[in-house]
Amino acid sequence: QLSESGGGLVQRGGSLRLSCVDSGFSFTSYAMSWVRQAPGKGLEWVSTISDSGGNTNYAESVKGRFTISRDNSKNTLYLQVNSLRAEDTAIYYCAKALYYYDSSGYQSPYWYFALWGRGTLVTVSS
Amino acid sequence: EIVLTQSPGTLSLSPGERATLSCRTSQSVSSSYLAWYQQKPGQAPRLLIYGASSRATGIPDRFSGSGSGTDFSLTISRLEPEDFAVYYCQQYGSSPLTFGGGTKVEI
Repeated sequence: QLSESGGGLVQRGGSLRLSCVDSGFSFTSYAMSWVRQAPGKGLEWVSTISDSGGNTNYAESVKGRFTISRDNSKNTLYLQVNSLRAEDTAIYYCAKALYYYDSSGYQSPYWYFALWGRGTLVTVSS
Repeated sequence: EIVLTQSPGTLSLSPGERATLSCRTSQSVSSSYLAWYQQKPGQAPRLLIYGASSRATGIPDRFSGSGSGTDFSLTISRLEPEDFAVYYCQQYGSSPLTFGGGTKVEI
């Protein structure tokens, strides 16, 4: 249901634009996130954008270099990645980000990731 | 930043056995804002548990989550062949969102 593209081999300092298309019917109802995984390593949250696109959050490691955006008319999420470093080499997954509501109806401050795409590989060469 | 420590790093078990995975957080995670994911080789992660103990849609009831505060666990009551994978916990009570380092469940 989520399909990423745009990854590839890029030189250090270069840029890429990653895309994630949601083929479902509820794209505009959800916040969306990017999570990455370096080869053989664990998961690292990168960024999240609200359902409307009006609010964005970033990990410190990418702040100022990466920009998340979305086009709700195209059911598409983007990640513009600039000033790439070797440590940015990873599979980049897009994911639907949901709030959790506890038994009192109180909304969590942040998100868990309900559905993931298959990922797109970004390789930064030095 | 809340650090999540998963143990053990690797769990060697046989089909039919019970698996218990631990996730400890460096600070208390409010209102059980903790999720568990399963990842098989070459695949994307899949959500198993959210809210520390709520199963995601389509997840078999042999998977269960428990815990609160700083100590959480994922239990697989009877391992099926398809359950051999890496499992990650994630907290969403504070920013930055963080994941544990993973537990590999192997045969």
